[in-house]
Amino acid sequence: SQTIHQWPATLVQPVGSPLSLECTVEGTSNPNLYWYRQAAGRGLQLLFYSVGIGQISSEVPQNLSASRPQDRQFILSSKKLLLSDSGFYLCAWRGWDRDEKLFFGSGTQLSVL
Amino acid sequence: GESVGLHLPTLSVQEGDNSIINCAYSNSASDYFIWYKQESGKGPQFIIDIRSNMDKRQGQRVTVLLNKTVKHLSLQIAATQPGDSAVYFCAETEYSGGGADGLTFGKGTHLIIQP
Repeated sequence: SQTIHQWPATLVQPVGSPLSLECTVEGTSNPNLYWYRQAAGRGLQLLFYSVGIGQISSEVPQNLSASRPQDRQFILSSKKLLLSDSGFYLCAWRGWDRDEKLFFGSGTQLSVL
Repeated sequence: GESVGLHLPTLSVQEGDNSIINCAYSNSASDYFIWYKQESGKGPQFIIDIRSNMDKRQGQRVTVLLNKTVKHLSLQIAATQPGDSAVYFCAETEYSGGGADGLTFGKGTHLIIQP
C-alpha cells in the first residue's frame, strides 16, 4: 500500500534561517506531488506541485522554493525564513490511478520566531 | 479565481445526533468533489467523494449530497460520535485527465460534539 512520510513534525526556526522540509512517498511510481500551507484556522493554500523529477510549478509568489530530486521525494526550502512563513505545511500525493484524490502527510508545524 | 467556500465556520451537535456540513462552490465547471476530515495537528484524511454525474453517495455513516443547480455540496454524518470532532473541508476540481492542478479547498467547518 502507499504511504507518505513527512518530517519533521514540528519545527521552530529563527527569522532569517534556512528551511528544508522533506516528503517521501512509498508504494507508488511517478506520483504528482504537492506542498500546501495552512494558516491557523484557515484553509489549504497550494504552494507547489510537481508532475515529475525536476519539474516544479509554483502557484503563488513567495519566499519558498521546492525541488524534486527523486521520483518519490519532494523538498520544500527557504534560504531565509520570514515571520509570515509560519504555518502548517502539508505534503500530498496523487497517483494516476486515483482520480483526483489527494493523500496527505501528517504535516509540519513551522514556527518562525 | 473561483473558490469553494463553507456556510458556517463552527457546527456544534449533540453526540448521537446527525450532523450536516454544507459547502458552496462557484466553479460551474467543477465535476469532482471531495470531503476531507482534519483532526487537530494532523493532515486531512479522505472521507468520501462524488462526481457530478451523481446526486448522492453513501459511505459508512456518511452521505454526500450534490446539488448542481445551486452549486451546493453537503456532508451528512449519522449518529455523530466524539471521534467525529474535527475540521471538515470540501474540495473541488475539474477533471483534468491526470493533470496536476490539485484541488481547491474551502476554509473548513469545525465540528464540535457535545456530550
